[in-house]
Amino acid sequence: DQQVKQNSPSLSVQEGRISILNCDYTNSMFDYFLWYKKYPAEGPTFLISISSIKDKNEDGRFTVFLNKSAKHLSLHIVPSQPGDSAVYFCAANTNAGGTSYGKLTFGQGTILTVHP
Amino acid sequence: DSGVTQTPKHLITATGQRVTLRCSPRSGDLSVYWYQQSLDQGLQFLIQYYNGEERAKGNILERFSAQQFPDLHSELNLSSLELGDSALYFCASRERGSDTQYFGPGTRLTVL
Repeated sequence: DQQVKQNSPSLSVQEGRISILNCDYTNSMFDYFLWYKKYPAEGPTFLISISSIKDKNEDGRFTVFLNKSAKHLSLHIVPSQPGDSAVYFCAANTNAGGTSYGKLTFGQGTILTVHP
Repeated sequence: DSGVTQTPKHLITATGQRVTLRCSPRSGDLSVYWYQQSLDQGLQFLIQYYNGEERAKGNILERFSAQQFPDLHSELNLSSLELGDSALYFCASRERGSDTQYFGPGTRLTVL
């Protein structure tokens, strides 16, 4: 049972345009969400996060939107740059009751390609 | 550079063997998490330690074990290795007072 899903395996965008990466989740106990960027043979790099008490968080070119009722989050990258080309993972966390102690559940990833 | 270090970067071994992967968390972080990324499974949580104590287990095989030492570095021990254990193994540490985890560069394990 995949609790975090990234339904688009890949996304291709022109440089300067907006990239929108989507993520859906099923577990209503998730209360913290993160986006990571990953290059081949490297560890995931933290990009941005959002708590379930917010619906938007912004950091430079990156904005994450959370729609709790739809159990959906998205990452917007504006403007997109060729250096943004990588695999993007969304991840979810729950500390409700403290039983999971913060383990992350990851989506399968979306390959973003930004063309010059 | 996340501040999380992992050694070795690459490991090639044979079936049936035992290996140890090492991780040092970021300075000041008490929690260490281990994840496995295989081709068909994505990133899967294995186990978590907090200040030397095991706190959570995920889909970790009985052939695998881990520990966290007083200096907070952690080791993941993989034994009776099988071909299917070939994967990238990542360690992450959680920032104190936050839910954000920072990942190391990973160890690529190849079992022949």
